[in-house]
Amino acid sequence: GAVVSQHPSWVICKSGTSVKIECRSLDFQATTMFWYRQFPKQSLMLMATSNEGSKATYEQGVEKDKFLINHASLTLSTLTVTSAHPEDSSFYICSAREGDVTDTQYFGPGTRLTVL
Amino acid sequence: GQNIDQPTEMTATEGAIVQINCTYQTSGFNGLFWYQQHAGEAPTFLSYNVLDGLEEKGRFSSFLSRSKGYSYLLLKELQMKDSASYPCAVMDSNYQLIWGAGTKLIIKP
Repeated sequence: GAVVSQHPSWVICKSGTSVKIECRSLDFQATTMFWYRQFPKQSLMLMATSNEGSKATYEQGVEKDKFLINHASLTLSTLTVTSAHPEDSSFYICSAREGDVTDTQYFGPGTRLTVL
Repeated sequence: GQNIDQPTEMTATEGAIVQINCTYQTSGFNGLFWYQQHAGEAPTFLSYNVLDGLEEKGRFSSFLSRSKGYSYLLLKELQMKDSASYPCAVMDSNYQLIWGAGTKLIIKP
């Protein structure tokens, strides 16, 4: 089946620094990638949707200047958390979809971010 | 390697009961999650099992057997709005989520 990877799997950083998380579709071309945030035992909260080559669409309440998303190719999207603060500590999950909205979303393993 | 298996698609009738199975082989185990995802929407958390047994929550129940690497999601009194994909996911020893591809559930009147 289709595989989505994320790097790094976990990261610890100091408050005020920026962290970049990569999401890759390993064996298919992802026209659309999604970034989610998950708090313990809660539903995934969609942060933004990105289509290759265009600007990401952010959900209400998500600061686009703080969470920079780049979908530069059909297999790679990056999420950069700028000037991270302890409240940004969370589990960030990406997913990728090859075709239209009826196609399956394949989820990555997640990246655990801890901001000290 | 790590692997999650669940049926690709299931069909059931409105008002009936359906059981969606999920088997897993992972390096370590820190719990199993069930989600519901309607097309075009974010997954909604349904349940979390970390101990063996049955967890009941309204019309939805989830069962876990760690020794068998097996879980199921039981949906009762099916409604048309239950038509969705149901992915299961296991958190491994590194607290990474290993995802199943999801079971597409089709409810017929």
